[in-house]
Amino acid sequence: EAQVTQNPRYLITVTGKKLTVTCSQNMNHEYMSWYRQDPGLGLRQIYYSMNVEVTDKGDVPEGYKVSRKEKRNFPLILESPSPNQTSLYFCASSFFNSGGNQPQHFGDGTRLSIL
Amino acid sequence: SQQGEEDPQALSIQEGENATMNCSYKTSINNLQWYRQNSGRGLVHLILIRSNEREKHSGRLRVTLDTSKKSSSLLITASRAADTASYFCATDYFYNTDKLIFGTGTRLQVFP
Repeated sequence: EAQVTQNPRYLITVTGKKLTVTCSQNMNHEYMSWYRQDPGLGLRQIYYSMNVEVTDKGDVPEGYKVSRKEKRNFPLILESPSPNQTSLYFCASSFFNSGGNQPQHFGDGTRLSIL
Repeated sequence: SQQGEEDPQALSIQEGENATMNCSYKTSINNLQWYRQNSGRGLVHLILIRSNEREKHSGRLRVTLDTSKKSSSLLITASRAADTASYFCATDYFYNTDKLIFGTGTRLQVFP
């Protein structure tokens, strides 16, 4: 089954404790991205990647890191999480190297709470 | 920066009625997409419409795009309780199709 898989689905952690949210897709998509969703603000893009070893900042990259060493994986790293990063996070992927002209396939989300 | 804004923010209708949601955006685009999100779940792609298209259909969904007014509408005909969800528009930028910018969404409630 074609899918985007995020792990963990839920995480409660404390300020400053490094964490990684994994994202994996099995559709051989070139484009992958991370969004955060906050009430009243919709989805905001954190980082995106147009292919292996190619990443770029979205609209809200501060406090986050990403890497794209393999085509199927795009982990999101919070080196020193803070409470303002408490949010619902989504990973998405699509064919080709563009987010705008291709339908995005979303994972089921990761709900992060940082105390 | 917010590119798209949906209107209304919330909409409640009875089953069988039509639901219309609007999206306005600020700068020129190449593509506009509509997504549905069931409560707390991932977004599901509905329709992509390109800037040189005016109307697109998919089952009970009809999307229009007016680039002169920088606006789009999503019409759901003969709505069902299962259509209850949040609906988001998303656009790229004319000079940059790398990124997809989402609006804040319309929350649709369909009562049986």
